[in-house]
Amino acid sequence: SQTIHQWPATLVQPVGSPLSLECTVEGTSNPNLYWYRQAAGRGLQLLFYSVGIGQISSEVPQNLSASRPQDRQFILSSKKLLLSDSGFYLCAWSGTSGAGTQYFGPGTRLLVL
Amino acid sequence: TQLLEQSPQFLSIQEGENLTVYCNSSSVFSSLQWYRQEPGEGPVLLVTVVTGGEVKKLKRLTFQFGDARKDSSLHITAAQPGDTGLYLCAGGPSSGYALNFGKGTSLLVTP
Repeated sequence: SQTIHQWPATLVQPVGSPLSLECTVEGTSNPNLYWYRQAAGRGLQLLFYSVGIGQISSEVPQNLSASRPQDRQFILSSKKLLLSDSGFYLCAWSGTSGAGTQYFGPGTRLLVL
Repeated sequence: TQLLEQSPQFLSIQEGENLTVYCNSSSVFSSLQWYRQEPGEGPVLLVTVVTGGEVKKLKRLTFQFGDARKDSSLHITAAQPGDTGLYLCAGGPSSGYALNFGKGTSLLVTP
């Protein structure tokens, strides 16, 4: 069966510091991968998605970037965090048939102070 | 962007009551998913519906996709405290990779 991991689970970072959140998927090959941000336990905002190694699409202009160095690894980064980057970050995967069902990881709670 | 509106935003009921939450859009979706999310955790998939008029049941939960594939409903029979959580619907467009999420219905079931 497929499993998706995210780490760290919780992160507290000062403004201006760098960020690296990692997501890995097990049990599937060539998945589509997604990064979402969720504010205040409400709806999800799609940040990036990737359909293959090195292929990144950005949905929202922001202080963040994403990379996919391996088939089942997706990384969310920032060079300098802003207060507004605080939130709950979720990674998800889906099969390759377009916008099909997505399966989410446990999330990373980021607090920028 | 295809907007999904969920209603009600908040719902507080007692154990044993029935409830229905709605997910509506003016756009047609190729598929629609329902998720339940508990505080501090990722959303967990409950069901995917793809055919207009489709009805799926998951124990006490009944999901229906509208005939025109623009709306969906989730009905819970005899709610239990374990049903407490944020219920999110998400629709898939006809092409592309982005799911459109509603803002969710926050359900609280008290004993």
